[in-house]
Amino acid sequence: KAGVTQTPRYLIKTRGQQVTLSCSPISGHRSVSWYQQTPGQGLQFLFEYFSETQRNKGNFPGRFSGRQFSNSRSEMNVSTLELGDSALYLCASSLAGGQGSPLHFGNGTRLTVT
Amino acid sequence: QQQVKQSPQSLIVQKGGISIINCAYENTAFDYFPWYQQFPGKGPALLIAIRPDVSEKKEGRFTISFNKSAKQFSLHIMDSQPGDSATYFCAASGGSGGYNKLIFGAGTRLAVHP
Repeated sequence: KAGVTQTPRYLIKTRGQQVTLSCSPISGHRSVSWYQQTPGQGLQFLFEYFSETQRNKGNFPGRFSGRQFSNSRSEMNVSTLELGDSALYLCASSLAGGQGSPLHFGNGTRLTVT
Repeated sequence: QQQVKQSPQSLIVQKGGISIINCAYENTAFDYFPWYQQFPGKGPALLIAIRPDVSEKKEGRFTISFNKSAKQFSLHIMDSQPGDSATYFCAASGGSGGYNKLIFGAGTRLAVHP
């Protein structure tokens, strides 16, 4: 079974631009979560989608948004990029998001904002 | 109350030794405690997870010990191997946050010397 696939792997953007990251979950997984990983703040939860609905949200500004499609694929968007948005963005999927449904992470998209 | 504190920040162990990483949490509503392993350039991979109704869980060379009253849990890696050299993250979730909203510790960089 293929794992969580994230595209692109690397991205360089300029301050003020916007960016869209894509995630394809493991086949059959209906929940997709996004995390931001930085050396300073570590791994932080952005949001979770289940059946095309945002089910949970972390403490990030409204510039960070996401969506999920009917095939469970997900995208996240960051508008008006800031230097501090440079990070590894990780997507993770699970069957349904319950206690017995562990999160499986992709290898991330490395975003650099200049 | 949402924090998970992890120690040590880095750890050096000789091949064949025992690696021990400790975590403490504050939110008593947490009831799912996974450990993730991350290699450079890769996303975190689930190693082992425990729930508070169990005091210990073992999978191969990896053991989680859980102390509910102290709100602490730890990862023991027996017979540590150079291939175990990676960054390890503890995490916690549950309660109103849902199980996919993982609160991660800051990570422990483990180096196993041959």
